Amino acid sequence: QVQLQESGPGLVKPSETLSLTCSVSGGSMTSYYWSWIRQPPGKGLEWIGYIYYSGAINYNPSLKSRVTISVDTSSNQFSLKLTSVTAADTAVYYCARVPKYCSGGSCWGNVFDVWGQGTLVTVSS
Amino acid sequence: DIQLTQSPSSLSASVGDRVTITCQASQGITKYLNWYQQKPGKAPNLLISAASNLETGVPSRFSGSGSGTDFTFTISSLQPEDIATYYCQQYDNFPYTFGQGTKVEIK
Repeated sequence: QVQLQESGPGLVKPSETLSLTCSVSGGSMTSYYWSWIRQPPGKGLEWIGYIYYSGAINYNPSLKSRVTISVDTSSNQFSLKLTSVTAADTAVYYCARVPKYCSGGSCWGNVFDVWGQGTLVTVSS
Repeated sequence: DIQLTQSPSSLSASVGDRVTITCQASQGITKYLNWYQQKPGKAPNLLISAASNLETGVPSRFSGSGSGTDFTFTISSLQPEDIATYYCQQYDNFPYTFGQGTKVEIK
């Protein structure tokens, strides 16, 4: 059974870079997309982006200028970097697995079927 | 971006009641809509995919329907363990987006 676990600093200073890693255990990263989603305290869910195991990436345009998602299949990990953070980036950050769905000759991710437990990152000086 | 509007934002119902949540998309998304349950302090859990496909292990009292712009999520008989916030999510277009959530409480 695949399990995901986020790790990284829980406190980041304004203007600095938020860095998180998601470790994947109990399964292969092959043929899946791997995603980051965040949830500010008491608010709803925001998709940050995802990366295919082979490296193809899609980002949310609202964050694209500040976000980098990378994958290391040899270590069974993928990572998130968010630059120039502000208090508005304070949130619980989740990593999630996304199966590939294909239709009409195109393929993309469809559901967030396995989630990490989430990690709270607070942006504060 | 495709906006998903859930209604209501919150509801209170009795154990055994039928509960219905709607999700309206700002443009047609065929059947590319999922429903998640999130309990306090926990990650969301996928209940229904592609508008109406019940995920393995999910109780049959949960169901989903709809296509295009209008979708419905139903709990046929509310149980105490169903207390949670429910979210719809579309994967028809990037960026993927979620509804604002519907908080379900017991009366």
